Amino acid sequence: EPEVTQTPSHQVTQMGQEVILRCVPISNHLYFYWYRQILGQKVEFLVSFYNNEISEKSEIFDDQFSVERPDGSNFTLKIRSTKLEDSAMYFCASTKEREWGHNEQFFGPGTRLTVL
Amino acid sequence: AQTVTQSQPEMSVQEAETVTLSCTYDTSESDYYLFWYKQPPSRQMILVIRQEAYKQQNATENRFSVNFQKAAKSFSLKISDSQLGDAAMYFCAYRSPYGNQFYFGTGTSLTVIP
Repeated sequence: EPEVTQTPSHQVTQMGQEVILRCVPISNHLYFYWYRQILGQKVEFLVSFYNNEISEKSEIFDDQFSVERPDGSNFTLKIRSTKLEDSAMYFCASTKEREWGHNEQFFGPGTRLTVL
Repeated sequence: AQTVTQSQPEMSVQEAETVTLSCTYDTSESDYYLFWYKQPPSRQMILVIRQEAYKQQNATENRFSVNFQKAAKSFSLKISDSQLGDAAMYFCAYRSPYGNQFYFGTGTSLTVIP
């Protein structure tokens, strides 16, 4: 069964460094999402992406964050200058159909980002 | 903004027994969607069950069923005949029909005791 994949599974970086988290959504899906979960807290929405542009973003998704679909398969989240508080698990998700509320989002296994 | 609350950080159940995970939410919308996702250790979240708010009938999926109480804004998950493979983190989530994002609770870690 097709799955969303994410690489790396764990990323360690120094504060102030740029990181790129990578996701490969399910191949025929059209809508892509990033969420994050700080340890012990809720999973929080960051951004949704469709047709090569951001369709919705949360307050968390500030100028330090950007997303890109550089080719037909990858979907990336870039953090330009990481802060300690960016340490979290980052989940990618995708949906095949229009963003109707009942459609499930298929999640990747997550990338654990540790900022030192 | 909508909020989702899971008041049980950890639960345990004996194999073959029944367990209920609670979830409450806060919204001013009349139409919305509710989901339970399961996240096994080191694996991705997978959908367990979903409920449309306009449907009065509680959703069921094999051993999984929900008790949806719209007036009380409660959406609990019942797992019957619990199996070892049910051990996971369970997340309750809310989705508005007007937006893209899911609103998640903090999760309930379920342990199944052999």
